[in-house]
Amino acid sequence: KAGVTQTPRYLIKTRGQQVTLSCSPISGHRSVSWYQQTPGQGLQFLFEYFSETQRNKGNFPGRFSGRQFSNSRSEMNVSTLELGDSALYLCASSFTGTQGGEQFFGPGTRLTVL
Amino acid sequence: QKEVEQNSGPLSVPEGAIASLNCTYSDRGSQSFFWYRQYSGKSPELIMSIYSNGDKEDGRFTAQLNKASQYVSLLIRDSQPSDSATYLCALKGSSASKIIFGSGTRLSIRP
Repeated sequence: KAGVTQTPRYLIKTRGQQVTLSCSPISGHRSVSWYQQTPGQGLQFLFEYFSETQRNKGNFPGRFSGRQFSNSRSEMNVSTLELGDSALYLCASSFTGTQGGEQFFGPGTRLTVL
Repeated sequence: QKEVEQNSGPLSVPEGAIASLNCTYSDRGSQSFFWYRQYSGKSPELIMSIYSNGDKEDGRFTAQLNKASQYVSLLIRDSQPSDSATYLCALKGSSASKIIFGSGTRLSIRP
């Protein structure tokens, strides 16, 4: 079974731009969660989508948004990029979601904001 | 108090010895616990999940859960240099369904 895939793997943007990241979960998994990882803050939860609905949301500003499609693929969007948004963005898929289910991570998208 | 606490390390262990990684948590109602391994520059990889008190063994790895004392640990027997990585403790809290991660413990296995 193929694992979680994320595209693109690397991105370089400038302040003020916006970016869209994509995640394809493991086949059969209906939940997709997004995380931001930085050396200083560790792994921070952004949001979770389950069956096309946002089920949980972390403490991030409204510039961070996401959606999930009927095939469970998910996208994350960050608008008006700031230098502090530079991070590794990880997507994790789960069969049942974060309600007790094991999560499997994709390789991540490394975003650099200049 | 942080929701999930781990010693950041680095924890240095000689090859062949047992590495012991510990994690404490504040939410008594937490039900599901996970250990992830993350190599530098890579994404986290699920190693173990544990849901009930006691020990759970998988190869060289043993997860231990003590809900009364609110800690979960990971033992790695016969440590190998390839075990050198950051180990993340994670759990599902009682009030929200999101998974909460600790900041991780860096483990270094010295030959």
